[in-house]
Amino acid sequence: GQNIDQPTEMTATEGAIVQINCTYQTSGFNGLFWYQQHAGEAPTFLSYNVLDGLEEKGRFSSFLSRSKGYSYLLLKELQMKDSASYLCAVSYGYNTDKLIFGTGTRLQVFP
Amino acid sequence: AAGVIQSPRHLIKEKRETATLKCYPIPRHDTVYWYQQGPGQDPQFLISFYEKMQSDKGSIPDRFSAQQFSDYHSELNMSSLELGDSALYFCASSSPTGGSYEQYFGPGTRLTVT
Repeated sequence: GQNIDQPTEMTATEGAIVQINCTYQTSGFNGLFWYQQHAGEAPTFLSYNVLDGLEEKGRFSSFLSRSKGYSYLLLKELQMKDSASYLCAVSYGYNTDKLIFGTGTRLQVFP
Repeated sequence: AAGVIQSPRHLIKEKRETATLKCYPIPRHDTVYWYQQGPGQDPQFLISFYEKMQSDKGSIPDRFSAQQFSDYHSELNMSSLELGDSALYFCASSSPTGGSYEQYFGPGTRLTVT
C-alpha cells in the first residue's frame, strides 16, 4: 500500500523557523515534492527532491533520505503569509510521475 | 511566465448531467495529470497523458473519460454526475522529456453537483 504521513497541524511565530516532517512508504519512488496550498486554491510548487540531501531555495529548504523514507521542509524567517497547508507528495510510476499526497500539514503563523 | 490554464473555473451541474473540464498545459509541457480534491482531502490522482496517449490511470470512475489533443490540451469528460463528484479538479503539467519533472498545477475547476 501507499502511505505518506505528516503532522496534521503546526503553529509557529513570525520570524521563527519551522520544520515539517514527512515519512513515506510507497510501492515506487521517482521523487518527492513539497507544495504549498491555501484553502480553495491550487497547490503551488515549492521543491522537488530526487537524490538524498538538502535542496535550498530562498527561505525554503527540503531534505530527503531515500533509505529512511523521510523528508522535511524547512521554512525560515516565517511570515504571516506562510500560513497555509503544506503537502508532501511522492511521485511514482513507470510511464508517469503520478503523485500521491500526504494529508497535508496546516501551518499557522502568529505575530 | 505562462501557467496552466483551466476552464471553467466554476461549474454547477445537476445530478445525472454531464460536464467537460478543459486544461491547457504550460507551453512545451507534454505531460498532463488530472487530480480530484474533495473538501478537506488531499488531491487524488485520476489520469495522466503523455504525448497524447494515456500514460496512467488512477481512481477515475468509469463515468469519466479524458483525452489529450494534438495541441496538448486535455479535456476531462464527466457523465451521469453524482453529488459525490462535487470537488476541485486540478490539472497539472510537466515536461519529463525536457528534463522538467516538476508538476505545476492549474487554478482548478470547482464543480458543484446539486
